Amino acid sequence: GAVVSQHPSRVICKSGTSVKIECRSLDFQATTMFWYRQFPKQSLMLMATSNEGSKATYEQGVEKDKFLINHASLTLSTLTVTSAHPEDSSFYICSARASTGMGLNTEAFFGQGTRLTVV
Amino acid sequence: DAKTTQPNSMESNEEEPVHLPCNHSTISGTDYIHWYRQLPSQGPEYVIHGLTSNVNNRMASLAIAEDRKSSTLILHRATLRDAAVYYCILRRDGTASKLTFGTGTRLQVTL
Repeated sequence: GAVVSQHPSRVICKSGTSVKIECRSLDFQATTMFWYRQFPKQSLMLMATSNEGSKATYEQGVEKDKFLINHASLTLSTLTVTSAHPEDSSFYICSARASTGMGLNTEAFFGQGTRLTVV
Repeated sequence: DAKTTQPNSMESNEEEPVHLPCNHSTISGTDYIHWYRQLPSQGPEYVIHGLTSNVNNRMASLAIAEDRKSSTLILHRATLRDAAVYYCILRRDGTASKLTFGTGTRLQVTL
């Protein structure tokens, strides 16, 4: 199956610094990528939809200036957590769908996730 | 989005079949029923999906009620590696292909 690679898998940063997470579709082109956040024992919450070559669409309650998303190519989207604070510590997961066959019945591919710890 | 309801948790013995139910009474005619699972500390992975007819693949089977208001994911022989949170998700037309996750069912598999 298609592969989505997320990097890094784990990162620890100091409060106030910024962290960049990369999401790559390795063997397919993804016009759209999605970013989720998951707190312990909770479900995935969609943060934003990333569209190649245009601005991301953020879900209600997600600060776009804090969570910067760049989708510069059909195989790469990045999420930058700016001025990170301990409450931003979470498991961040990206997802991508192939540019072709984007119908409702096609599966989504997920990265392995990035565990961010802000100290 | 149409809502799905799943039990919070289920238990199964290894090598036994597991039936994971999902209620989706407000499903619309064009909603596909998708199942994903998430192993500990990993991103979700696709399991199976269907529209009206029952579906089988190498991972599982999906049984869809005739009125489509419920479905059941069937793992024919549970293994310890099947311990995960299983999410039943409806994909509705016009939602830009995004997946909205509910709380899912945490499946425990014991020896």
